[in-house]
Amino acid sequence: AQTVTQSQPEMSVQEAETVTLSCTYDTSENNYYLFWYKQPPSRQMILVIRQEAYKQQNATENRFSVNFQKAAKSFSLKISDSQLGDTAMYFCAFMGTSGTYKYIFGTGTRLKVLA
Amino acid sequence: DSGVTQTPKHLITATGQRVTLRCSPRSGDLSVYWYQQSLDQGLQFLIQYYNGEERAKGNILERFSAQQFPDLHSELNLSSLELGDSALYFCASSADGAADTQYFGPGTRLTVL
Repeated sequence: AQTVTQSQPEMSVQEAETVTLSCTYDTSENNYYLFWYKQPPSRQMILVIRQEAYKQQNATENRFSVNFQKAAKSFSLKISDSQLGDTAMYFCAFMGTSGTYKYIFGTGTRLKVLA
Repeated sequence: DSGVTQTPKHLITATGQRVTLRCSPRSGDLSVYWYQQSLDQGLQFLIQYYNGEERAKGNILERFSAQQFPDLHSELNLSSLELGDSALYFCASSADGAADTQYFGPGTRLTVL
């Protein structure tokens, strides 16, 4: 069974600094998708970034980028120029392509951006 | 705004009762997913529907059931409620229910007293 592990329950970063959130996963599939979702205090789940496993190039969305290491089964999120609005819970999610297309979520990392 | 709507936003009820949570997917999306977010279990997949048919089942209790209607909205029915059913219930939708990004609704906060 696939599993997703986020080993950092809480992190903090100074405004304008860079922070990296870790995520590792376990799967026997070769083709899959990985996501980072942000959950601010409003509890809305907001897509931050998506990575297809067959693409070697790391995904980037403005200040957000990932470091995808397929062999190591690692998928970290880097937030550059952190802003107060980045304060939220961040969830890493895995979606396989053989069987169901459900998300398997990690336990989340609570990020606090300090002024 | 993801385009996925969920009603009600909040629901407070008593143990043993039955409630219905409603979800309308984004325009054009055929697939709906239900997830439960509780403090001790995190975010867990419950069930998926695609164009009116059940496609996948996760950790959904027998007391829970769901359906997707011809207009593609979905309802999650929770019966014989227990204290432990208190959670945030999310609906998500995707275009074709396969290797798609899922877009989440704002959730329904269920409190069972």
